[in-house]
Amino acid sequence: NAGVTQTPKFQVLKTGQSMTLQCAQDMNHEYMSWYRQDPGMGLRLIHYSVGAGITDQGEVPNGYNVSRSTTEDFPLRLLSAAPSQTSVYFCASSQLYQGANSPLHFGNGTRLTVT
Amino acid sequence: KNEVEQSPQNLTAQEGEFITINCSYSVGISALHWLQQHPGGGIVSLFMLSSGKKKHGRLIATINIQEKHSSLHITASHPRDSAVYICAAPRPPYNTDKLIFGTGTRLQVFP
Repeated sequence: NAGVTQTPKFQVLKTGQSMTLQCAQDMNHEYMSWYRQDPGMGLRLIHYSVGAGITDQGEVPNGYNVSRSTTEDFPLRLLSAAPSQTSVYFCASSQLYQGANSPLHFGNGTRLTVT
Repeated sequence: KNEVEQSPQNLTAQEGEFITINCSYSVGISALHWLQQHPGGGIVSLFMLSSGKKKHGRLIATINIQEKHSSLHITASHPRDSAVYICAAPRPPYNTDKLIFGTGTRLQVFP
């Protein structure tokens, strides 16, 4: 079982470039989410999905797009990278049968630097 | 005031010491999560609890719903316990997984 696979591990972008962070899980989890982690702050939710074809915004969605065409995959797109998007990004998944009462499984993170 | 607050922010200990990390929250919750972030950056879920106490190996998590407080205890601490410990609570309405995260407690255990 691979769990949650997140790629790439590191990425450097120039301001204005676009890119996609990939996230895949093989646990048949309904819920998937993207977080960013910045120094001195807790993890913040960017976007989340409760199933294929369904996505919604979290706390800090601006500048990011997501889609959920399959249960397994939940890519995060940066449309036009800005230095403020320099952060560590985590993808997570969980079962949804008990709503918020399900343990989260995290990917290993992507360290993104925008110059 | 943050909705989920952890204390202390940083903690150092000698191997073998008993460790306590605290989490206070201002939102009503359905379950509280404790997570561990390794020095390499990976995050794993340790506990999810909505009442009482849970134990896994040398780790014990307790929660007091009335006082809106949870603690994570580590017995007989070991250098491999060195990590950042994060608590998180679901944001109302509780049928979603929108978690509010604390900023973490950085624990260093020295031999």
